[in-house]
Amino acid sequence: DQQVKQNSPSLSVQEGRISILNCDYTNSMFDYFLWYKKYPAEGPTFLISISSIKDKNEDGRFTVFLNKSAKHLSLHIVPSQPGDSAVYFCAGGTSYGKLTFGQGTILTVHP
Amino acid sequence: KAGVTQTPRYLIKTRGQQVTLSCSPISGHRSVSWYQQTPGQGLQFLFEYFSETQRNKGNFPGRFSGRQFSNSRSEMNVSTLELGDSALYLCASSSGGQNYGYTFGSGTRLTVV
Repeated sequence: DQQVKQNSPSLSVQEGRISILNCDYTNSMFDYFLWYKKYPAEGPTFLISISSIKDKNEDGRFTVFLNKSAKHLSLHIVPSQPGDSAVYFCAGGTSYGKLTFGQGTILTVHP
Repeated sequence: KAGVTQTPRYLIKTRGQQVTLSCSPISGHRSVSWYQQTPGQGLQFLFEYFSETQRNKGNFPGRFSGRQFSNSRSEMNVSTLELGDSALYLCASSSGGQNYGYTFGSGTRLTVV
């Protein structure tokens, strides 16, 4: 049972434009959601989080939106930079330490 | 501030052997979680320790076990290795409680031959 899904395996965006990464979930018990960025052979790097009681959280170029009724969240990166090219994972969190990750979306930002 | 340190970075083992992986969390962090990443299954939760106690466990067979020491360092052990155990094993630390500050290490790449 895949509780967190990232339906787009990849996304290609021009530098300076907006990148929108999407994530759907089925588990209504998630208390919070996180986005991580990952390069090959490295651990995930935390980007931004959102509590399940919020609908938006912003941190610099990164904004996460949560639509609880649709069980959908998205990460907006504006403006996109070539250094943002990586694999992005969304994750839902419930009890301590347990994160349920999506399968990831490969973002490529072209100069 | 030093990050999460995992050792070794790479490991090759033979089927049937056992392996122990180590994780040193960020200083002051008392929670350590372990994850397995494979191309087919993605990132999957193994278990979480806080103050030497396992608080949460994922859906992995009993061959996978762990422990945490009084200095918060954690070890993960896999016994009777199978080819399918080949993966990147990641640990993450946080200060504990339901905060969002999970910092991951670079992982240990385990290859079972």
